[in-house]
Amino acid sequence: NAGVTQTPKFQVLKTGQSMTLQCAQDMNHEYMSWYRQDPGMGLRLIHYSVGAGITDQGEVPNGYNVSRSTTEDFPLRLLSAAPSQTSVYFCASKLLGQGSGNTIYFGEGSWLTVV
Amino acid sequence: DAKTTQPTSMDCAEGRAANLPCNHSTISGNEYVYWYRQIHSQGPQYIIHGLKNNETNEMASLIITEDRKSSTLILPHATLRDTAVYYCIVDSGTYKYIFGTGTRLKVLA
Repeated sequence: NAGVTQTPKFQVLKTGQSMTLQCAQDMNHEYMSWYRQDPGMGLRLIHYSVGAGITDQGEVPNGYNVSRSTTEDFPLRLLSAAPSQTSVYFCASKLLGQGSGNTIYFGEGSWLTVV
Repeated sequence: DAKTTQPTSMDCAEGRAANLPCNHSTISGNEYVYWYRQIHSQGPQYIIHGLKNNETNEMASLIITEDRKSSTLILPHATLRDTAVYYCIVDSGTYKYIFGTGTRLKVLA
């Protein structure tokens, strides 16, 4: 049981380049999401998904695309990277529902620098 | 969605209890309060959660007021390793889990 796995851990991009941050979970969680965290700041929700084929926007969705073709994977795409997207990105997952103990599990983060 | 308000930062002496408050005055009756913490730049980790009753686990205690409008996370004997950012969030079932900026706890030797 690996939990939530993010790749790559570190990436440097040039402005205008595209890339995909990968996220996979092996806990059969319906819910998955992406957050970004700028230096000294809190976590901001980018996009989330409540199941395969279902995605929705969070607080800061502009500049990012997501898709959910399988329960396990939830990639985050940057179509044209900008320096403002320099940040640490966290993927998260949880079981659906408000039931007791349905906690959120986070990956270890992906450090992205756009120059 | 229920919003939460936390102090920006707090200090606590090592070995003493750390009491971290959270205001969630718009919480609804079936919404859980969850606490997470983030050490350095790692992914946040779950600490404890509760609905109405006070809760305790091996890491912390959670005290929820009778009107459920606020809660306090208690680390009974804080250590240097408890230095972290602590987030209080409300699970309202909308799937937009807003973490905000949390409380930066510094445990002092």
